[in-house]
Amino acid sequence: EVQLVESGGRVVRPGGSLKLSCAASGFNFDDFGMSWVRQIPGKGPEWVSGINWNSRNIQYADSVRGRFTVSRDNVKNSLFLQMNSLRVEDTALYYCAREIGGDNGWFDPWGQGTLVTVSS
Amino acid sequence: EIVLTQSPGTLSLSPGDRATLSCRASQSIMNRYLAWYQQKPGQAPRLLIHGASNRATDIPDRFSGSGSGTDFTLTISRLEPEDFAIYYCQQYGSLPRTFGQGAKVEIK
Repeated sequence: EVQLVESGGRVVRPGGSLKLSCAASGFNFDDFGMSWVRQIPGKGPEWVSGINWNSRNIQYADSVRGRFTVSRDNVKNSLFLQMNSLRVEDTALYYCAREIGGDNGWFDPWGQGTLVTVSS
Repeated sequence: EIVLTQSPGTLSLSPGDRATLSCRASQSIMNRYLAWYQQKPGQAPRLLIHGASNRATDIPDRFSGSGSGTDFTLTISRLEPEDFAIYYCQQYGSLPRTFGQGAKVEIK
């Protein structure tokens, strides 16, 4: 069974940093691109960042570029999101998702999410 | 970026009814690169459709997708109790990949 499990979410002060992790299992992790997608409760999802299988193609949404860094460890089947200079508007549930259909495809499946709250 | 607008915002229907959800893009989506997801309370989105009309694995055939260019539709032919949820469209034809704001199908 394909499984994605996020961790690392917590309450953090504005301007602070946080690193999210996503542990993948049930598939050949290094065959797929991966993304982070966030969602504010009651709103539509927002794609945040994507990384292809060998980390050579990395993309960011304008809202996080320069503050967030995505990375992966294909030996440990893990995806990461380093979040710096956090803002109140970064508060959301963060999902990791497997990308299907190439480097910029659709998302299937999604993890259960980890909650990031940026508040003073 | 491509903005996706879903309508109606809420659809109030009964089990057995037909649901038709619309997703309109601010510019043409190349190669029909549009997906649909279903989300239930407390759960992550689940893929239903990719490539505008291709059902994902294990998705019942009462779900169908159609459209091209800027106008896409998700149809649920006969609503089952488990289909009452929020539905999102997402385009992956250009960066950044974007989602619609969602459409809720609620029990009438």
